[in-house]
Amino acid sequence: GENVEQHPSTLSVQEGDSAVIKCTYSDSASNYFPWYKQELGKRPQLIIDIRSNVGEKKDQRIAVTLNKTAKHFSLHITETQPEDSAVYFCAASRGQAGTALIFGKGTTLSVSS
Amino acid sequence: EAGVTQFPSHSVIEKGQTVTLRCDPISGHDNLYWYRRVMGKEIKFLLHFVKESKQDESGMPNNRFLAERTGGTYSTLKVQPAELEDSGVYFCASSHPDGYNYGYTFGSGTRLTVV
Repeated sequence: GENVEQHPSTLSVQEGDSAVIKCTYSDSASNYFPWYKQELGKRPQLIIDIRSNVGEKKDQRIAVTLNKTAKHFSLHITETQPEDSAVYFCAASRGQAGTALIFGKGTTLSVSS
Repeated sequence: EAGVTQFPSHSVIEKGQTVTLRCDPISGHDNLYWYRRVMGKEIKFLLHFVKESKQDESGMPNNRFLAERTGGTYSTLKVQPAELEDSGVYFCASSHPDGYNYGYTFGSGTRLTVV
């Protein structure tokens, strides 16, 4: 089955800096890669996703890149703000409607002002 | 639209007791998933319902866990008897199999503590 590795497990940056979180996956048939943000005590929320027919997707300060050949994808957050502090999870699935997502272990991002 | 609702939000039980968690998905979402997060670790897949049928239960840790989805609406996850290692946050999520709309909506989770 699918296995998703995520690095780093913790990341501390200064406000205004960029943050990058990387994930690798094992199932070459995976073609859907979402990122979730979980603030303390709250539910995970989808922040951005990418499908295998696209190499990069951007939404304001966040972007995701995908390298299908190498089976890795990354989340980039620019101009970080204290409210970006949270746990970020990457995930992968085969993308058929309803296929279960397999998550990485999460990255705790701390943005200090 | 109403979101995914889970209750209780917290549960503290003694080892050996039984606990039942409930999840009400978004109306019309045929897909319902259960996940668990143990402190500091990944959001681990437990099982997936499509309507009332179990599509994939490969993540269920053992036969102390029983999930049901009566009539394809709400779902329950029962742990009997509970063990210390069952502690964690249990998340439910639902999604609508509508073309490329794969996005999950998560519930707020049930924090289970077994003492």
